[in-house]
Amino acid sequence: DVKVTQSSRYLVKRTGEKVFLECVQDMDHENMFWYRQDPGLGLRLIYFSYDVKMKEKGDIPEGYSVSREKKERFSLILESASTNQTSMYLCASSFRRGGTGELFFGEGSRLTVL
Amino acid sequence: GESVGLHLPTLSVQEGDNSIINCAYSNSASDYFIWYKQESGKGPQFIIDIRSNMDKRQGQRVTVLLNKTVKHLSLQIAATQPGDSAVYFCAENIGGNNNDMRFGAGTRLTVKP
Repeated sequence: DVKVTQSSRYLVKRTGEKVFLECVQDMDHENMFWYRQDPGLGLRLIYFSYDVKMKEKGDIPEGYSVSREKKERFSLILESASTNQTSMYLCASSFRRGGTGELFFGEGSRLTVL
Repeated sequence: GESVGLHLPTLSVQEGDNSIINCAYSNSASDYFIWYKQESGKGPQFIIDIRSNMDKRQGQRVTVLLNKTVKHLSLQIAATQPGDSAVYFCAENIGGNNNDMRFGAGTRLTVKP
């Protein structure tokens, strides 16, 4: 079965802290994505990666960075967390070529920044 | 349909009725669309997709209709069941490689027993 695993379901951090959100997929997918989800705004793309060590900015990259050192792992980093980064974060992966283009999502990581 | 601001559109239907969820997409060049279902506490899951060279596609109890003229997508669910209660998102491919998807705000479907 296809699996995307996000390391933390719930996190509470303080303003200014550095936050790491980890995502691992076991499907050998080339593409990986980080979205944030806020009520009424849907899913907004933060960053994505087409290959190891590659990264591309999405629609809202400010305040975030990413790391893809291995094909199966894509990390989202908040260098200095702020309260407006309180949100649900969703990781997804997909095949780059072939496949349907379907995104496979993790269960999400709900981050609260105090 | 699509939301404006922070309010999530809602649709409430009686169990057994048909549901229609609408979505307006943004890019006339988008050539691939997916509907996702997100249950409470879970990530979105694929329901059905459609390419722009089609105007209708059917799955099991679900049908997607695409109107490129007005940039409108709809998801029809036949004989809606309580397990269909969820938030439904449409997503459009705005890139050229099937992997750069943008999502609508979502519609919350509630099925009344």
